[in-house]
Amino acid sequence: DAGVIQSPRHEVTEMGQEVTLRCKPISGHNSLFWYRQTMMRGLELLIYFNNNVPIDDSGMPEDRFSAKMPNASFSTLKIQPSEPRDSAVYFCASSSSDRDTQPQHFGDGTRLSIL
Amino acid sequence: AQSVAQPEDQVNVAEGNPLTVKCTYSVSGNPYLFWYVQYPNRGLQFLLKYITGDNLVKGSYGFEAEFNKSQTSFHLKKPSALVSDSALYFCAVRDASNTGKLIFGQGTTLQVKP
Repeated sequence: DAGVIQSPRHEVTEMGQEVTLRCKPISGHNSLFWYRQTMMRGLELLIYFNNNVPIDDSGMPEDRFSAKMPNASFSTLKIQPSEPRDSAVYFCASSSSDRDTQPQHFGDGTRLSIL
Repeated sequence: AQSVAQPEDQVNVAEGNPLTVKCTYSVSGNPYLFWYVQYPNRGLQFLLKYITGDNLVKGSYGFEAEFNKSQTSFHLKKPSALVSDSALYFCAVRDASNTGKLIFGQGTTLQVKP
């Protein structure tokens, strides 16, 4: 079975550019999570969706960050304009919240470097 | 509020020796607890979970974890460490919101030396 698929795996861009990260969750999962991981701050939850609806975006650092989930099989995380401090690894994860015992499944992340 | 603590930033152990990575939690209600492992340049991988039942939970790659309700702990263990077990380990507790959200600890780096 295909796991969570993230693209691109690596992104290098200049400060001020728009960055779009993409995620395809596991089919049948109804919860989707975006995380950011840095050495300084560790693993941070940015936003999560349940049944395509954003439930909690309190982890989104600034208005420059936005996330959408137009359907059950696709989500995007957008940064506009990007800044060097946004450099991090961004992970997407999905789970089935209908069954409490199910773990989250993570993609392999997008390593983002803002120059 | 639900929380998880991993008191050690790093654990060092010799290959072949038993290992323990510590985790304590604070929850309201019954805890749903998880351990994840992260290898370099990869996402977090699920190792094992405690939902209910036997306090000793067995998971992937020979790992197990012991749930202790009185000490509010869920320590990860392995009888004989391998060099390939060297990685970053995260403990997590399920949030009470019933949306699948997990509260993660800060992570513990396990270093297994030959």
